[in-house]
Amino acid sequence: ILNVEQSPQSLHVQEGDSTNFTCSFPSSNFYALHWYRWETAKSPEALFVMTLNGDEKKKGRISATLNTKEGYSYLYIKGSQPEDSATYLCAFNQNTGNQFYFGTGTSLTVIP
Amino acid sequence: DAMVIQNPRYQVTQFGKPVTLSCSQTLNHNVMYWYQQKSSQAPKLLFHYYDKDFNNEADTPDNFQSRRPNTSFCFLDIRSPGLGDAAMYLCATSRSPGFGYTFGSGTRLTVV
Repeated sequence: ILNVEQSPQSLHVQEGDSTNFTCSFPSSNFYALHWYRWETAKSPEALFVMTLNGDEKKKGRISATLNTKEGYSYLYIKGSQPEDSATYLCAFNQNTGNQFYFGTGTSLTVIP
Repeated sequence: DAMVIQNPRYQVTQFGKPVTLSCSQTLNHNVMYWYQQKSSQAPKLLFHYYDKDFNNEADTPDNFQSRRPNTSFCFLDIRSPGLGDAAMYLCATSRSPGFGYTFGSGTRLTVV
């Protein structure tokens, strides 16, 4: 079992604040890193798939970066809104297999 | 919309009483996965089907079985649920192994 760590475990921010959290993963045999947003009572929704070292992806106010050499990815949310409240899961898979390894998630609460 | 549907959303079962969770998909994806997520832990892969080929994770208890009668449906059978099997069970699909997942909204299982 490969260890994927996410920090912090939970986060409360005020509406309008910007925030970021981290996903750390083993850097060997890297294939892809995935970010998902999981709102309560809904399905986890794919945000980004990142494959190349130095990748930066953006979707509205949310962006992500990837460093495969040191084994981490950052997710940034600019100007947080209450609808951003969710658990953000990262998962990575290696080029030696098909399984996704998930982190425990970061639970974000945006306070109006 | 093409999607992954899990039923029921919440399931309460008695200790030792067999229970079946279901997952269906309209995406025509080749791979279907079952994950177990316990509180504050990362989703853990139980098994997956690649077409009709069943792949069991080495540490998945024998108490857990799965069936995939056709491309669209996949079932998780828990033969004798224990208190430790209470968890969120997530079904996911992907076009091929290693591709990004589409998730269902999960079934939360309570064992009483």
